[in-house]
Amino acid sequence: GAGVSQSPSNKVTEKGKDVELRCDPISGHTALYWYRQSLGQGLEFLIYFQGNSAPDKSGLPSDRFSAERTGGSVSTLTIQRTQQEDSAVYLCASSFRSVGTEAFFGQGTRLTVV
Amino acid sequence: DQQVKQNSPSLSVQEGRISILNCDYTNSMFDYFLWYKKYPAEGPTFLISISSIKDKNEDGRFTVFLNKSAKHLSLHIVPSQPGDSAVYFCSLFGNEKLTFGTGTRLTIIP
Repeated sequence: GAGVSQSPSNKVTEKGKDVELRCDPISGHTALYWYRQSLGQGLEFLIYFQGNSAPDKSGLPSDRFSAERTGGSVSTLTIQRTQQEDSAVYLCASSFRSVGTEAFFGQGTRLTVV
Repeated sequence: DQQVKQNSPSLSVQEGRISILNCDYTNSMFDYFLWYKKYPAEGPTFLISISSIKDKNEDGRFTVFLNKSAKHLSLHIVPSQPGDSAVYFCSLFGNEKLTFGTGTRLTIIP
């Protein structure tokens, strides 16, 4: 399809393991965002990419979280040594440009740390 | 420090009546304002937007109002329909990123 694609859709992992979440944005979209939604909470900003660079990493909760984007397209969000508080839905969005246009979201990855 | 607040976590409205969802913000840096709608197990979908130079934008049953002096944004849905039941997020664009409110769960009662 032509929308934002995220994989996996669900991930259950043991505490302490590393996980990698993938986002395929809409082709041609230069801006890419990662958000997460914990149970009963709003959308928490994590990181924003313009092309391959990340001008704003201010939302990453700890140094266990990192993200990269290659070729101005696919992005991966990596969480090392997962903790139970990392359990959330991780949402990726992309937009054609950063200013004044709506972002299109993927369906999210539900991460459960047990 | 919550820059964008949706003070009503939930709202119930009779079918056919008007639904009014509110959003308050603290920072004047935002220059573009959006509303998103989210169904369970799906990502948010864009609904309607307004730029900071306007005070009203209408699209069918949906109207967004912006009061910059009060730093207040609202979404009106009229008439409300059962399919409008969802969580609504206001989203403000500034500093190259979208900042979201905490959401309001709207339930339309048939």
